[in-house]
This record gives sequence, C-alpha cells and structure tokens, in this order.
Amino acid sequence: DSGVTQTPKHLITATGQRVTLRCSPRSGDLSVYWYQQSLDQGLQFLIQYYNGEERAKGNILERFSAQQFPDLHSELNLSSLELGDSALYFCASSPQRGSNTGELFFGEGSRLTVL
Amino acid sequence: QKEVEQDPGPLSVPEGAIVSLNCTYSNSAFQYFMWYRQYSRKGPELLMYTYSSGNKEDGRFTAQVDKSSKYISLFIRDSQPSDSATYLCAEYSSASKIIFGSGTRLSIRP
Repeated sequence: DSGVTQTPKHLITATGQRVTLRCSPRSGDLSVYWYQQSLDQGLQFLIQYYNGEERAKGNILERFSAQQFPDLHSELNLSSLELGDSALYFCASSPQRGSNTGELFFGEGSRLTVL
Repeated sequence: QKEVEQDPGPLSVPEGAIVSLNCTYSNSAFQYFMWYRQYSRKGPELLMYTYSSGNKEDGRFTAQVDKSSKYISLFIRDSQPSDSATYLCAEYSSASKIIFGSGTRLSIRP
C-alpha cells in the first residue's frame, strides 16, 4: 500500500459528461501529480501541484482541469468526455516540490470508461 | 520524436533467464533515471533510480545508464515468475517533469 488513495476505482459514463477524480496523497507529501495511462500512449504526465499551486503542466487537454486544496487532496475534473478519454488515471505524490530522486508514490488508479 | 522510447514487448522468457530491458531518450537535460515496476491493476512502484552514467546494483537488479548514447538498461538476473510485470523507464528533468516510457510487458515462464 503506497499510502495514496484514489476514488473512484472505476467509473463508467457517457460522452459529453463530466467527472471528477479524487486523490489523497501520502501523509505529509506536498506534491501531487496526475498521469493518464492508456494502451497506446503509455503513462502521460498531465499536471503537478505543489502545496496548492500548479508546478508543472504536461499534455493536459483544455477540457481537463485540476486543483489541489488546502488539505492537500487533489481533484482532476474531466469535462465534455470523449471515447478517447477512456483510460486509467493515476495520482502520485512526493514529499518535495521537484521529487529529487524521481520517486513517486502512485495510487491504484481510477479506471474511466466513456461509452 | 517521443522524449523516451521503450520497446513495448511483450517479452517472454523462461524462469532463471537474464532479462534485459532498454530505453532511449532524447533530452540531454534529464538528470535522474528510474525504473518503475507495475503489476497488473496496480500503480507503478519505484524499483531503482540512478543519477550518473554507470551501473547500479540492487540484489538481482542492475540499472545501467549511458548518457553519451542516451541509453538506459535494466538487467534482471535469475528471473522469477514474480518478476512478471510491466517495467517503465522514467527520466526526470530540471523542469520537475518526470517522463515515462510506454513500458515493456515482461512474462517469466515457470
């Protein structure tokens, strides 16, 4: 158990809908990362927050947004969903701003299916 | 060109074999090089990390980095069925982004 909690574990929804994925980082970790994993694209970095502020941005679509709250949990909002958004969404946390050793602690992911 | 390239496999070897997993990268700014292991239906977990060129050993696992050719490898000795997983290489740049390869699916046959 990595200590990172993600909910929901599974989510099935329809095209055009909006969903929110939630992540609670390990106790004491200030950085939260969001990744998308699909069969053909591998693990794609979406966005990173550190202590409530956006730190780095990857290939995150404009239809997606995220935030980190004062209690350090984070939410990833996906809107106007398309079939291609079906994927595993991982949250990871690390203690430092830049994760000096590259060690991220991953949750077990939220599997999103868009029908 | 992707920043990190990794052969997706799948790779199937008999138990006890030596496994070699490889990645190439294009960004010279990468400073740290990692290998993550991901079991089915689980999140990735850090297996090893290295900072400089050369070898780093941890039990049956050896990570090798060649910065001059932008090539990293993971060797698994005396492979076990429990090593069956997807192995992802990852590189870290000073922009705080950790970039993952697409992963190689490894299966160890008993």
